[in-house]
Amino acid sequence: GENVEQHPSTLSVQEGDSAVIKCTYSDSASNYFPWYKQELGKGPQLIIDIRSNVGEKKDQRIAVTLNKTAKHFSLHITETQPEDSAVYFCAASKPGGGNKLTFGTGTQLKVEL
Amino acid sequence: DSGVTQTPKHLITATGQRVTLRCSPRSGDLSVYWYQQSLDQGLQFLIQYYNGEERAKGNILERFSAQQFPDLHSELNLSSLELGDSALYFCASRAPGTGYNEQFFGPGTRLTVL
Repeated sequence: GENVEQHPSTLSVQEGDSAVIKCTYSDSASNYFPWYKQELGKGPQLIIDIRSNVGEKKDQRIAVTLNKTAKHFSLHITETQPEDSAVYFCAASKPGGGNKLTFGTGTQLKVEL
Repeated sequence: DSGVTQTPKHLITATGQRVTLRCSPRSGDLSVYWYQQSLDQGLQFLIQYYNGEERAKGNILERFSAQQFPDLHSELNLSSLELGDSALYFCASRAPGTGYNEQFFGPGTRLTVL
């Protein structure tokens, strides 16, 4: 089955700096790659996603890039703010089989003042 | 707020007991997914229902079962509970007719088995 690896497991940046989280997936049939932000005591919140027919997508301070050849995708957060502190999960999904999401292990991002 | 609701928010019970977790999807969504989140296993897919029918199974134990009712709400039943079942349980829903798998998660139920 699909396997998603995520790095780093923890990331500490200074406010205003950029943060990058990287994921790799194993199944070349995967065609949808969402990113979720989970704050303490809350459910995962979809913040951005990318489909396999697109190489990059931006939404204000966040962007996601996809390299299908390398089976690699990344989340970029620019001008980080304290409210960006949370756990971020990448995931992958392929058509069929109920379209389940396979998640990475999460990255604890801490934005320090 | 994703529009997905889950009750109860917290549940504390003893080993060997049975509990039922409830989920209401976003208005109009036909698919419901259940996930378990534990510290050592991360977010794991359990089971999916679409318009009342089971569509996919993941790492769901035989002690666990689920169903989706005609009003589209879903229940996850956990029986013969063990200490290791302590975890956060999330449901997510997905809009019909979308070719891609955008899932929106509820706030979760925290289950503690003592």
